[in-house]
Amino acid sequence: TQLLEQSPQFLSIQEGENLTVYCNSSSVFSSLQWYRQEPGEGPVLLVTVVTGGEVKKLKRLTFQFGDARKDSSLHITAAQPGDTGLYLCAGGGTQGGSEKLVFGKGMKLTVNP
Amino acid sequence: NAGVTQTPKFRVLKTGQSMTLLCAQDMNHEYMYWYRQDPGMGLRLIHYSVGEGTTAKGEVPDGYNVSRLKKQNFLLGLESAAPSQTSVYFCASSAPTGNGEEPQHFGDGTRLSIL
Repeated sequence: TQLLEQSPQFLSIQEGENLTVYCNSSSVFSSLQWYRQEPGEGPVLLVTVVTGGEVKKLKRLTFQFGDARKDSSLHITAAQPGDTGLYLCAGGGTQGGSEKLVFGKGMKLTVNP
Repeated sequence: NAGVTQTPKFRVLKTGQSMTLLCAQDMNHEYMYWYRQDPGMGLRLIHYSVGEGTTAKGEVPDGYNVSRLKKQNFLLGLESAAPSQTSVYFCASSAPTGNGEEPQHFGDGTRLSIL
């Protein structure tokens, strides 16, 4: 069974602080996706990284895919209350086809004003 | 843009009752999925389908059945509900790209309680 371990699992910070979320696995993935989920809603894709070492930026969010394509990180700069939510990483492309994703358990972020 | 629509949004069942959760997508996606989300467990794949008329088991298929009679619909059935099936159920769909990059589009979930 392939696993994606996310850390930390919970984080409560003040507005303006920086944070990094980690997503680690012993398996190699062809892609790594990051989703954000708000209460009462389904996850929504933030970004997909596909190349080892790739870095993508989405406003204040920076995503990195590890060189060996086994891990990824999400860094948020100057967090805002609107960043509050559950952040999920998901690995794809290793289970006999690209149609299934392996999800981490998520990191619940609370940004206090 | 409806995207992925799940019905019902909430349901309370008694142990042993049966029900069907409905998922409809209007994006002409080939692939569809059913997940359950439990506290501390993340999203776990129940069943999935790679096309009309085909289904396959995911990580936690026991106690569930699915059908994909039409491309746009994916049904999840509970034949005899058990309290352990209390969860939030999410349907998702995606278009195959062949390289593991296709994003999944999720519905807003069905909150199911089994008493």
